[in-house]
Amino acid sequence: GQNIDQPTEMTATEGAIVQINCTYQTSGFNGLFWYQQHAGEAPTFLSYNVLDGLEEKGRFSSFLSRSKGYSYLLLKELQMKDSASYLCAANQAGTALIFGKGTTLSVSS
Amino acid sequence: DTGVSQNPRHKITKRGQNVTFRCDPISEHNRLYWYRQTLGQGPEFLTYFQNEAQLEKSRLLSDRFSAERPKGSFSTLEIQRTEQGDSAMYLCASSLPGNYGYTFGSGTRLTVV
Repeated sequence: GQNIDQPTEMTATEGAIVQINCTYQTSGFNGLFWYQQHAGEAPTFLSYNVLDGLEEKGRFSSFLSRSKGYSYLLLKELQMKDSASYLCAANQAGTALIFGKGTTLSVSS
Repeated sequence: DTGVSQNPRHKITKRGQNVTFRCDPISEHNRLYWYRQTLGQGPEFLTYFQNEAQLEKSRLLSDRFSAERPKGSFSTLEIQRTEQGDSAMYLCASSLPGNYGYTFGSGTRLTVV
């Protein structure tokens, strides 16, 4: 079967660093996506990891360990506008992305 | 390119009625996906097309649901005899082959009363 787990909610303050973890169990794994979704809006692409290691893109970084079935999204220098849901999604060969339930991040001043 | 376009943005219907949603993908994307999302949940996969061929359907897609992509461009998702449990946001996404980054539309929010 396939299963993606991530925390339901996280809170942090402006300027801080937060790490959102994701564990997955899928067959035919072919990469891990992170999407950001603001309330009432469509998900937008943040990052994609297919090889082990860290991918850095500005304030956001994403890490993947294929052997552990584990990924995290690291957000630095948090801003109020980063308050959103963060979706972890596993790419399986030959089929569509499977999404986790999302982690709602609340950033306070 | 205007991105992925979905119409309507909102739909309120009475239980038992049929509804149809439309998705216009990014023109060069030959893959098109439909997802359903309820409050506090991630998107749940419904079905996807490569060009006009429907390649996979989820078990969530009951017999009341049907999707088409007749010319490999826009797609429609029809729900027959709607039920209150069908109330959700219906998201469409498109991509190039290889699933390297979906672009989502703004979704159609369905409310069944």
